[in-house]
Amino acid sequence: EDKVVQSPLSLVVHEGDTVTLNCSYEVTNFRSLLWYKQEKKAPTFLFMLTSSGIEKKSGRLSSILDKKELFSILNITATQTGDSAVYLCAVEDGGGSNYKLTFGKGTLLTVNP
Amino acid sequence: DGGITQSPKYLFRKEGQNVTLSCEQNLNHDAMYWYRQDPGQGLRLIYYSQIVNDFQKGDIAEGYSVSREKKESFPLTVTSAQKNPTAFYLCASSPLQGLQETQYFGPGTRLLVL
Repeated sequence: EDKVVQSPLSLVVHEGDTVTLNCSYEVTNFRSLLWYKQEKKAPTFLFMLTSSGIEKKSGRLSSILDKKELFSILNITATQTGDSAVYLCAVEDGGGSNYKLTFGKGTLLTVNP
Repeated sequence: DGGITQSPKYLFRKEGQNVTLSCEQNLNHDAMYWYRQDPGQGLRLIYYSQIVNDFQKGDIAEGYSVSREKKESFPLTVTSAQKNPTAFYLCASSPLQGLQETQYFGPGTRLLVL
């Protein structure tokens, strides 16, 4: 059974801090790892990672994948109150002819002013 | 506007009642998915469909049913067999099966049992 574990489950920081969110996984046929940000409603896409060691960046957010150790990290530098959200990690299993995502429980990030 | 719509935004169910949640997309996506989210939990896959008239069970399909008669539509029925239906339900779609495309989510439906 596919498994995605995120840590920490929750985190409280002050504006300007840098945070690192972790995601480890076990999946039979790995295809990709995705990060989403969920505020009040639907998750919004942040990154898709398929290759080890290649950092993806978008503004203050960055993410990298280690396929040997089966984990990914999401970094947020110079955090702002608007970064407060649940960050979800999901892994795509490409086994057989069916493709589906398994999500972790998420990390609740609270950024205080 | 292109996108995924879900309705209603809030839905109330009485004990023993079946209810149907709507999900429509005009993105011409082949694959569609239903997830359930409980407080403090990640998203759990209920059902998914990658082609019209075909669908597969996800991790928590018991007590739910779906249909995929049209490419644009993937309604989810929460049956009376689902004993704990109160949750936030998210529908998603993705362009093509088998390719590394992200899923796009609808705004969600919150289901409450009276």
